Amino acid sequence: DTGVSQDPRHKITKRGQNVTFRCDPISEHNRLYWYRQTLGQGPEFLTYFQNEAQLEKSRLLSDRFSAERPKGSFSTLEIQRTEQGDSAMYLCASSLAGVTGELFFGEGSRLTVL
Amino acid sequence: AQTVTQSQPEMSVQEAETVTLSCTYDTSESNYYLFWYKQPPSRQMILVIRQEAYKQQNATENRFSVNFQKAAKSFSLKISDSQLGDTAMYFCAFMGVNRDDKIIFGKGTRLHILP
Repeated sequence: DTGVSQDPRHKITKRGQNVTFRCDPISEHNRLYWYRQTLGQGPEFLTYFQNEAQLEKSRLLSDRFSAERPKGSFSTLEIQRTEQGDSAMYLCASSLAGVTGELFFGEGSRLTVL
Repeated sequence: AQTVTQSQPEMSVQEAETVTLSCTYDTSESNYYLFWYKQPPSRQMILVIRQEAYKQQNATENRFSVNFQKAAKSFSLKISDSQLGDTAMYFCAFMGVNRDDKIIFGKGTRLHILP
C-alpha cells in the first residue's frame, strides 16, 4: 500500500507524559499537513511543511507541540507534558504542490490522555 | 480569516433518494478552491469533489454534484441515488489560492443512508 501511513494508530498515556506520532506521506508528495480532530468536529489545521520547511504553524499549537520533517520525507509530531485536552485524533495528510487541493489522508493517530 | 459553516449536524435519507448538504463560507479572496471530503466510519478522509471559484460551471463527479453560488458564498453538495456506502461524515472545505495552501474545514454533516 503506498498511501499515507501513521504510527501508532492508538496511544494511551498519562497526563504529563510526552508522546510522538510519525507520519509517512506518499513518496512523491512534497507537502505534509498535520490536523487535529476531536469527536464530532472537523479537522483543525495545526501545521504544514513543504519539503523540510515548516511553512505555517497554527496559533492552536502551544509551545508543547513541535513538528519536524527533517529530510523532507516522514514527519513527527511531538506533544510534551500531555494534558487531557490533547485527547484527539491527529491526522496527517500529504499532497503535491501545484496539484491544488487534494489532500491524501492517513487513518490518524488517536491519542487518549488519562 | 476564512470560515466554513455547515449548518446541518446530522441528516438521514432513504437509500436511492437524493440528498443535499449545505455549506456556506466567508472569505475576502477572489480566487479559491472549495471541496467536499468524505470520512466513512473508522476510515480515512477522501476527496469527493472540487470546485474552482473562477469556474462558473458546477463540478460533477458521477452521483455527486455541487451547486456553487459565488455571490452568496454558498457551496452545497447533492448526492443522487444515495447508496448505503455513502454513509459518512461530510466536510466542506476551503483553500485560498493567493495567501496560503492550508485547507480549512467545516464541522461536518453526519449523513446516514437508511436501507
